[in-house]
Amino acid sequence: DAKTTQPTSMDCAEGRAANLPCNHSTISGNEYVYWYRQIHSQGPQYIIHGLKNNETNEMASLIITEDRKSSTLILPHATLRDTAVYYCIVIGGKNSGYALNFGKGTSLLVTP
Amino acid sequence: DTGVSQNPRHKITKRGQNVTFRCDPISEHNRLYWYRQTLGQGPEFLTYFQNEAQLEKSRLLSDRFSAERPKGSFSTLEIQRTEQGDSAMYLCASKIDPGAEAFFGQGTRLTVV
Repeated sequence: DAKTTQPTSMDCAEGRAANLPCNHSTISGNEYVYWYRQIHSQGPQYIIHGLKNNETNEMASLIITEDRKSSTLILPHATLRDTAVYYCIVIGGKNSGYALNFGKGTSLLVTP
Repeated sequence: DTGVSQNPRHKITKRGQNVTFRCDPISEHNRLYWYRQTLGQGPEFLTYFQNEAQLEKSRLLSDRFSAERPKGSFSTLEIQRTEQGDSAMYLCASKIDPGAEAFFGQGTRLTVV
């Protein structure tokens, strides 16, 4: 699976958009980009995933660059409850089990 | 369906003792995964099942660890002769097919004293 690089931490003011970047320059053509988050003392929670096109759901938007070497997760109106560790994960292709390689993620702090 | 259920939520054990954790996945989810998470780190993959078959094991899964999923339903993770380094959160996840989202339980926090 392709390795991802994320900033260690970010801050965002409540009500503003939170833009979380992820670099995955070695991604293969059949690998997906997944985002999960983990709120303190809870299990990880799925947010969104995509292959090539930008995706949007009720939680967030995922913007994938045309060369697919990087992506951005956008939380359009961050709330205090969005404070969590956000993981960008690339999986698929030859990975038979689709096990998730979480890395260390980005710790997002949403402030009042 | 209430999601992925893990029991117990917390376990304190003495070094050298055996412990067993249970995971009840979401009904009809044929894939089940175990992860371990230590403080400040992201979850690390341990093993996964497709139905009752254990198809992949991480190098993290030493000989003291064993996992089962009888009849492709619930799963158990046993650690024999626990060591202090086994102290961690053990997470279970399930999904219905390879490309779908994984649903995680709340985890079992193990403390070895």
